[in-house]
Amino acid sequence: AQKITQTQPGMFVQEKEAVTLDCTYDTSDPSYGLFWYKQPSSGEMIFLIYQGSYDQQNATEGRYSLNFQKARKSANLVISASQLGDSAMYFCAMRELFGNEKLTFGTGTRLTIIP
Amino acid sequence: DGGITQSPKYLFRKEGQNVTLSCEQNLNHDAMYWYRQDPGQGLRLIYYSQIVNDFQKGDIAEGYSVSREKKESFPLTVTSAQKNPTAFYLCASSILPRETQYFGPGTRLLVL
Repeated sequence: AQKITQTQPGMFVQEKEAVTLDCTYDTSDPSYGLFWYKQPSSGEMIFLIYQGSYDQQNATEGRYSLNFQKARKSANLVISASQLGDSAMYFCAMRELFGNEKLTFGTGTRLTIIP
Repeated sequence: DGGITQSPKYLFRKEGQNVTLSCEQNLNHDAMYWYRQDPGQGLRLIYYSQIVNDFQKGDIAEGYSVSREKKESFPLTVTSAQKNPTAFYLCASSILPRETQYFGPGTRLLVL
């Protein structure tokens, strides 16, 4: 069964610094996708970035990058030059490409940016 | 503007009552999903639909029902059989099954 582990319940980071949010996963499926979502206090889940298990390069989207280490089964999110608006819950999720449609989510990390 | 709308934002349920949560999308997405989020938890899949008039159970379907009569609509009914319905409910859609899922703003359900 697929599983996502986020070991950092909360993090505090100074504005303009970079931050890394940890995510490890477990799956027996060789084909899978990894996602990061941001959930501000309003509740909506906002898609940030995607990494496929066969992608050769780490995914990047603006200030977001995904540090994908397949052998370690980790998919850490890196946010560069953090901003106050980055304060939110962040969820790592995985979908096995030949399983059912569900995304399996971790328990999230609450990120607080300090001015 | 294209997007996913959910209504109402807050919903109150009395004991023994069925309630229906609305989810509408104008993105022309084929697949739609319902998730439940409890405090301090990630999301868990309730039901999903890959195409009109077809849907499958997720991990926690007991006490819930859905319909998919139109491509743009995927309402969720929380029945009286769901003994612990208090949660935040999120609807999502993807252009095709197994593509990136995009979420609506959510409905918070509370039991009176």
